[in-house]
Amino acid sequence: AQSVTQLGSHVSVSEGALVLLRCNYSSSVPPYLFWYVQYPNQGLQLLLKYTTGATLVKGINGFEAEFKKSETSFHLTKPSAHMSDAAEYFCAVTRYNNNDMRFGAGTRLTVKP
Amino acid sequence: DGGITQSPKYLFRKEGQNVTLSCEQNLNHDAMYWYRQDPGQGLRLIYYSQIVNDFQKGDIAEGYSVSREKKESFPLTVTSAQKNPTAFYLCASTTPGVNTEAFFGQGTRLTVV
Repeated sequence: AQSVTQLGSHVSVSEGALVLLRCNYSSSVPPYLFWYVQYPNQGLQLLLKYTTGATLVKGINGFEAEFKKSETSFHLTKPSAHMSDAAEYFCAVTRYNNNDMRFGAGTRLTVKP
Repeated sequence: DGGITQSPKYLFRKEGQNVTLSCEQNLNHDAMYWYRQDPGQGLRLIYYSQIVNDFQKGDIAEGYSVSREKKESFPLTVTSAQKNPTAFYLCASTTPGVNTEAFFGQGTRLTVV
């Protein structure tokens, strides 16, 4: 079975600073990895995903993530935080032809002016 | 527009009552899911269905039931056996294969009064 661990339930950055949200996965087969964002009282929206191919994945709103097999990581980054980035972020894992997607506990990002 | 519709957005239930949460999708997806979200615990899988007339228990199925009589619909019943049902419930569906992605509804917030 696959799983993800998100390090840090809360991350606070200043506007304009680097955003780094950490995700490590566990999977016995090649994983498919995702980052989702959730705004209060709403569903989740896909930011980016890695399935196959290039390990550096670019998503919406200037976010990107790099799949590092040797480190079993898929950390989410953004060079310069914006106030509108304040939300909860979830890392998720599944695998090819498997409909069992598992989510991390989430990281709440706060952006200070 | 294609998407997933959950209703109602807010739901109040008296202790001892069963209540059904609706989830409808017009994305033509085979797989559908129900997740429960509690603060600091991420998304926990309740049930999922890979095809009509078939569904599997997730990690926290006790006190819940589902049906999948139509491809478009995957209702979740919270029974009186669920001891702590107050939570935010999210329905999702996924595309198959290498381009897999989860699409989410806007959620239903259930409160026991």
